[in-house]
Amino acid sequence: QSALTQPPSASGSPGQSVTISCTGTSSDVGAYDHVSWYQHYTGKAPKLIIYEVNKRPSGVPDRFSGSKSGNTASLTVSGLQAEDEADYYCTSRTGRGTVIFGGGTKLTVL
Amino acid sequence: EVQLVESGGGLVQPGGSLRLSCAVSGFPFMIHYMSWVRQAPGKGLEWVAKINPDGSGQSYVDSVKGRFTISRDNADNSLFLQLTSLRAEDTAVYYCASEYWFRFDYWGQGTLVTVSS
Repeated sequence: QSALTQPPSASGSPGQSVTISCTGTSSDVGAYDHVSWYQHYTGKAPKLIIYEVNKRPSGVPDRFSGSKSGNTASLTVSGLQAEDEADYYCTSRTGRGTVIFGGGTKLTVL
Repeated sequence: EVQLVESGGGLVQPGGSLRLSCAVSGFPFMIHYMSWVRQAPGKGLEWVAKINPDGSGQSYVDSVKGRFTISRDNADNSLFLQLTSLRAEDTAVYYCASEYWFRFDYWGQGTLVTVSS
């Protein structure tokens, strides 16, 4: 199964908003609300920031939000801050009961 | 405090074997699904394998089926990944992660596996 499709890069200035897309198929993203997003700094453990499309774990700022339409999920980071510069990955449940990752998006804060 | 600590990585020749371990503390290990996720150099994250809470069911990404085996010891709060018939493309940082309803709540820091002659 091919990875979910994410743009390789995204960028924005401090204070701006940026949206990262994650496109799958009707067998994964489109079929389930088990879409999650992870923030990953190089050399560190990935961190869950969004689960079940739009829910935030405790401690994750509300600047991070998620949504889904059809086969495409999105992560929006509002009020960009320097520390938001990281790699972001989406995941989705698959019809096989496993999880598939997106290719990852490198977010640059200009 | 939740802790997942991987160990067992290293340099191994193509065709060789390695056993990764993940020591877990701070959450009820025996009721959680657990997974291994890897990241090859310069590449994205890839789910590798998953095991159910009592260890009776496993799933694998197609590229490692028949070569990798995931297992767990609930008495010792430990997760394992046996890697055999290793290939260069298996070179990656391997993370253990707890899985709850298809999301990975907790992650370890990773252990590096390098397959090279």
